[in-house]
Amino acid sequence: AQSVAQPEDQVNVAEGNPLTVKCTYSVSGNPYLFWYVQYPNRGLQFLLKYITGDNLVKGSYGFEAEFNKSQTSFHLKKPSALVSDSALYFCAVRGSFSGGYQKVTFGTGTKLQVIP
Amino acid sequence: DVKVTQSSRYLVKRTGEKVFLECVQDMDHENMFWYRQDPGLGLRLIYFSYDVKMKEKGDIPEGYSVSREKKERFSLILESASTNQTSMYLCASSFRLVGDRDYEQYFGPGTRLTVT
Repeated sequence: AQSVAQPEDQVNVAEGNPLTVKCTYSVSGNPYLFWYVQYPNRGLQFLLKYITGDNLVKGSYGFEAEFNKSQTSFHLKKPSALVSDSALYFCAVRGSFSGGYQKVTFGTGTKLQVIP
Repeated sequence: DVKVTQSSRYLVKRTGEKVFLECVQDMDHENMFWYRQDPGLGLRLIYFSYDVKMKEKGDIPEGYSVSREKKERFSLILESASTNQTSMYLCASSFRLVGDRDYEQYFGPGTRLTVT
């Protein structure tokens, strides 16, 4: 069975400081990894994904994520946080495509609070 | 611009009522999904559909059914609403997986359902 862990329910960071939101995963075969963001009273929006290739993936709004196979991690990062980055962040994973639908498993979410 | 719409943002129903939640996407996506989102539990997949009239159970299908008569529309049905079905319901859609290529999911704004 595949799983995703987001160990922090909430992350607080000062505006202008770098931010990291942590994610670790467990899956059979090669992982397909995603980050989504949810602003208050909104649905989830796609930020970035790792399928294959470079371990550092760049996405929307200046976010990037680093894939680390040995540590089974896919942490979300941004060099300089903005107050507008305050939101709920979800990591998601699915295993290798083997025919049929391979469902995506979402983490429990991490609330990011950027303090002015 | 990509659009996934849900029929209601807020809904209040009584225990035992039959409840219909509707989702429409305008992106010609093959896959459609229904999730429920609860604090501390993240997103849990209820049902998904990979084609018209096709459906597969997700992680928590009990008490729910779905209908997909047209490609763009995916309905979630609560046959007899119960208080433990009070939750945020999110609809999503995506293109079908092709080989090892993956596609992100696009989410609607959500329906907050309260069952009293």
